[in-house]
Amino acid sequence: NAGVTQTPKFQVLKTGQSMTLQCAQDMNHNSMYWYRQDPGMGLRLIYYSASEGTTDKGEVPNGYNVSRLNKREFSLRLESAAPSQTSVYFCASSETDPNTGELFFGEGSRLTVL
Amino acid sequence: QQPVQSPQAVILREGEDAVINCSSSKALYSVHWYRQKHGEAPVFLMILLKGGEQKGHEKISASFNEKKQQSSLYLTASQLSYSGTYFCGTAYSGTYKYIFGTGTRLKVLA
Repeated sequence: NAGVTQTPKFQVLKTGQSMTLQCAQDMNHNSMYWYRQDPGMGLRLIYYSASEGTTDKGEVPNGYNVSRLNKREFSLRLESAAPSQTSVYFCASSETDPNTGELFFGEGSRLTVL
Repeated sequence: QQPVQSPQAVILREGEDAVINCSSSKALYSVHWYRQKHGEAPVFLMILLKGGEQKGHEKISASFNEKKQQSSLYLTASQLSYSGTYFCGTAYSGTYKYIFGTGTRLKVLA
């Protein structure tokens, strides 16, 4: 069982470049999430998708866009990368309402912006 | 507003106990606890639901005080494997906006 798969696992960008982080889950989960975790810090919610076709802003959405392509896939796009976006990005999914079920995480994507 | 955890960090010897607290400024329907090892993704430990239903994991227990909007995680007879950062998490009632607490770094020494 693959669970939640994130690609790429590592990426180095120059300031101003754009890129898309991909996330796919094979558990037929309805809700999906993108978090960032700066070194030594906690997890901050960027965007989330309660179900296919819907997306909403989290705590720190500025500088990011998302697409819920279908039920399996939820991508995160950086249009013009900045050094402040250097972080580890985690994708997560939940079968239903996260109030009653756990979140399953991908392994993370480590992004460095020079 | 993310939940606030205390303490921020704690160091224990094997076999000692610890309590980690999570406090919210908003009403909670449920609280989850996760542990994250260095360089890894968070792993689910347990969920506490409003009304008292609890799902547990390993030898770790937790409580949930809905009126005080607080939860506590109890680690008894700690083992080296308990080292990591612990996060509480919650989705405020009526939303899927799932956020995490500020985190508590726990280190268990031999």
